[in-house]
Amino acid sequence: GAVVSQHPSRVICKSGTSVKIECRSLDFQATTMFWYRQFPKQSLMLMATSNEGSKATYEQGVEKDKFLINHASLTLSTLTVTSAHPEDSSFYICSARGIGGPEQYFGPGTRLTVT
Amino acid sequence: GNSVTQMEGPVTLSEEAFLTINCTYTATGYPSLFWYVQYPGEGLQLLLKATKADDKGSNKGFEATYRKETTSFHLEKGSVQVSDSAVYFCALSDKAGGTSYGKLTFGQGTILTVHP
Repeated sequence: GAVVSQHPSRVICKSGTSVKIECRSLDFQATTMFWYRQFPKQSLMLMATSNEGSKATYEQGVEKDKFLINHASLTLSTLTVTSAHPEDSSFYICSARGIGGPEQYFGPGTRLTVT
Repeated sequence: GNSVTQMEGPVTLSEEAFLTINCTYTATGYPSLFWYVQYPGEGLQLLLKATKADDKGSNKGFEATYRKETTSFHLEKGSVQVSDSAVYFCALSDKAGGTSYGKLTFGQGTILTVHP
């Protein structure tokens, strides 16, 4: 149980285009989903927290107009990187938390490369 | 604010050696504590958790005990395997208010390499 999927696993896009990453909880309802960014050999950096049906809460320094987050249902959240630039290249990981417990379950991550 | 400090790596061991990765934390209240493992190119997997003092989390031969008096949650395994090679993250989640849980605060991660 508690499986989270992400799609795509890898994406290469040209500078200036937008990319959408999907995060799904496959066997539980995720009241809260989180989006992280991870640089090589570093820990995870929380970008934003989203609760189903409400606006995402962004961490300080994260541009909400650049990283659009939608959490329209209890099993799906999306992250759209708008007008991507090479510095947005990174490993993006989502996680989901269900009702009644503190643990987060993580997706396998999406490797974004902007050329 | 909350913080998690892990022992610095990388840690290199021979197969069947004993493993300890130290983790200490600073938090207000009574956080829940976790160990996550990340294999190369993958997301994080929940390895074990403990939600109150003196709880012992265990999974796949790994153990960690929630020690409130020393604010620690050290990860141990009696006999490591090559397949345990990965990055290990200690983390805590505090209560955001009432019964809702807050964000995860991660340690910096410890790289473990196990040689045959």
